[in-house]
Amino acid sequence: ETGVTQSPTHLIKTRGQQVTLRCSSQSGHNTVSWYQQALGQGPQFIFQYYREEENGRGNFPPRFSGLQFPNYSSELNVNALELDDSALYLCASSPGPPNTGELFFGEGSRLTVL
Amino acid sequence: KQEVTQIPAALSVPEGENLVLNCSFTDSAIYNLQWFRQDPGKGLTSLLLIQSSQREQTSGRLNASLDKSSGRSTLYIAASQPGDSATYLCAALSGAGSYQLTFGKGTKLSVIP
Repeated sequence: ETGVTQSPTHLIKTRGQQVTLRCSSQSGHNTVSWYQQALGQGPQFIFQYYREEENGRGNFPPRFSGLQFPNYSSELNVNALELDDSALYLCASSPGPPNTGELFFGEGSRLTVL
Repeated sequence: KQEVTQIPAALSVPEGENLVLNCSFTDSAIYNLQWFRQDPGKGLTSLLLIQSSQREQTSGRLNASLDKSSGRSTLYIAASQPGDSATYLCAALSGAGSYQLTFGKGTKLSVIP
């Protein structure tokens, strides 16, 4: 059974550019969540998808958007990158409805914005 | 709005010691509480999950307790080893319609051989 996989692992962008991060859920998991972790901080909730529908959103601007596909993989898109977007972006999947079960995290995508 | 606090921020202990990490949360209406381990530059590894109806969970040398009424959870690590050195994060799952984990900032543990 494969775990949660994320790509790319590291990337460098310049301010104003756009980025797409990808996540493959653990097999059988239909809920995907994205978190942003700045250096020295705990992860902050960005949004969650359940069965291809956005199920909740944290305090992030609309330039953070996402998708969940029929195979339950997911993308996080960030437009008009700002320096403060530099962080580790973590994807987590869980089985069943969003308010149950254990979350399993990937290794993250480290984004640096110059 | 849920807030999670972890004390201490950093802890250094000699190998073999038993230790306790503390986590407090402000909103007791949680679905579950989860403890994670994070190694430098890496993702999160789930250690223990305690459902809101449970009082504790155990896995090997780890034991986590939950007291919803007081808004507290503890992670007990027995007979610490150098390989336990990492940052430990607790997170509370809460929200109506938007089920999000709220994390503390973590406790950085160093176990000295």
